[in-house]
Amino acid sequence: DPKIIQKPKYLVAVTGSEKILICEQYLGHNAMYWYRQSAKKPLEFMFSYSYQKLMDNQTASSRFQPQSSKKNHLDLQITALKPDDSATYFCASSRDRGGNTEVFFGKGTRLTVV
Amino acid sequence: QEKVQQSPESLIVPEGAMVSLNCSFSDSASQSIWWYQQHPGKGPKALISIFSNGNKKEGRLTVYLNRASLHVSLHIKDSQPSDSAVYLCAVSGNYAQGLTFGLGTRVSVFP
Repeated sequence: DPKIIQKPKYLVAVTGSEKILICEQYLGHNAMYWYRQSAKKPLEFMFSYSYQKLMDNQTASSRFQPQSSKKNHLDLQITALKPDDSATYFCASSRDRGGNTEVFFGKGTRLTVV
Repeated sequence: QEKVQQSPESLIVPEGAMVSLNCSFSDSASQSIWWYQQHPGKGPKALISIFSNGNKKEGRLTVYLNRASLHVSLHIKDSQPSDSAVYLCAVSGNYAQGLTFGLGTRVSVFP
């Protein structure tokens, strides 16, 4: 019974297009995150939200925009897609932003940009 | 910027063997160190964490942390084929950096 739901599971996009990755969590957590996992690279932290406010942004590009319409939602809009954006994007959540708090991950959205 | 390195890259062991995984990190001020398990096509799942120097045991898992040498290890006793997965070491430090992960160790346990 998945508690962090990511949609879609797979996504193929054309270079230059725009896509939105959806994430909902049903763990009652206050903090949500986006991470990216590219081939041959470690899982990489992108954003953190706490109580629907952007707290941290480690993504250099403004093409990546998180959007939080509700406390348990954190979508990721990616514009002007490039082949280098191909990766699996993981939504995650935790009770709070503390470093000693367990972070739970969704199953990911695998994005391929052609 | 925190750096996390894991060794070995991969490991193949027979069922029942001890699995030993290593992780080194760069910032002694790091908070907790986490070990995650990731099966193909799934998200990482937290197994165990440690904050203080020394060791911590949970079931078949034991983790050792030495902050002076910036090293942490995970040992899985009596390994099972279901333990076959990629094991990720993650360090939590500065809030703004989230969790910093290593590349992982791929473990295969054969019956």
